[in-house]
Amino acid sequence: QVHLVQSGAEVKKPGASVRVSCKASGYTFTGYYIHWVRQAPGQGLEWMGRINLNSGGTNYAQMFQGRVTMTGDTFISTAYMELSRLRSDDTAVYYCARSKNDLDWFDPWGQGTLVTVSS
Amino acid sequence: DIVMTQSPDSLAVSLGERATINCKSSQSVLYSSNNKNYLAWYQQKPGQPPKLFIYWASTRESGVPDRFSGSGSGTDFTLTISSLQAEDVAVYFCQQYYSTPLTFGGGTKVEIK
Repeated sequence: QVHLVQSGAEVKKPGASVRVSCKASGYTFTGYYIHWVRQAPGQGLEWMGRINLNSGGTNYAQMFQGRVTMTGDTFISTAYMELSRLRSDDTAVYYCARSKNDLDWFDPWGQGTLVTVSS
Repeated sequence: DIVMTQSPDSLAVSLGERATINCKSSQSVLYSSNNKNYLAWYQQKPGQPPKLFIYWASTRESGVPDRFSGSGSGTDFTLTISSLQAEDVAVYFCQQYYSTPLTFGGGTKVEIK
């Protein structure tokens, strides 16, 4: 069975960085993309970008360009999302999600990681 | 960017009645070369991640009850719950995967009347 398990909740101060991990199991890691989507409290879903775990190629949403880095470690089937220069409005649940192709639906999703940015 | 607009923001429906959610994209998500609509629907319950329900605008994911159906093409889409059950209380999101940035509708909260 396909699973994505994310790292635990984080509390960070403004200006700091956070790295969230997403460990995959139950499928060939390099055969899929991992996307990162965030959801601010009580809000909708916002796509941050994706990584091709075969090539390592990335594509980031413009609003996160320069602040986000997505990587993957194929040896341990784990994807990472690092967001720098955190602000209070980055407080959100961050999800990883799998897709087969670059333009595709997401299935499954990780359980989510709450990142709280507060001084 | 393709803007996805859902309506209504919320709706309350009696058990066993029909619920209809609309999703409109700011440009067509129909890819002419394969005649497919690049549109998915997700269900999200409180404290849980979204769950894929429908892709290609009308294909139900395995395990999704057949009371859920998706329809529409181009820029206008609908998710219909033919007979609302208590377990269907959730927020539903549409998503276009036609082009980056991939974008979602704002969500529709479905409740029991």
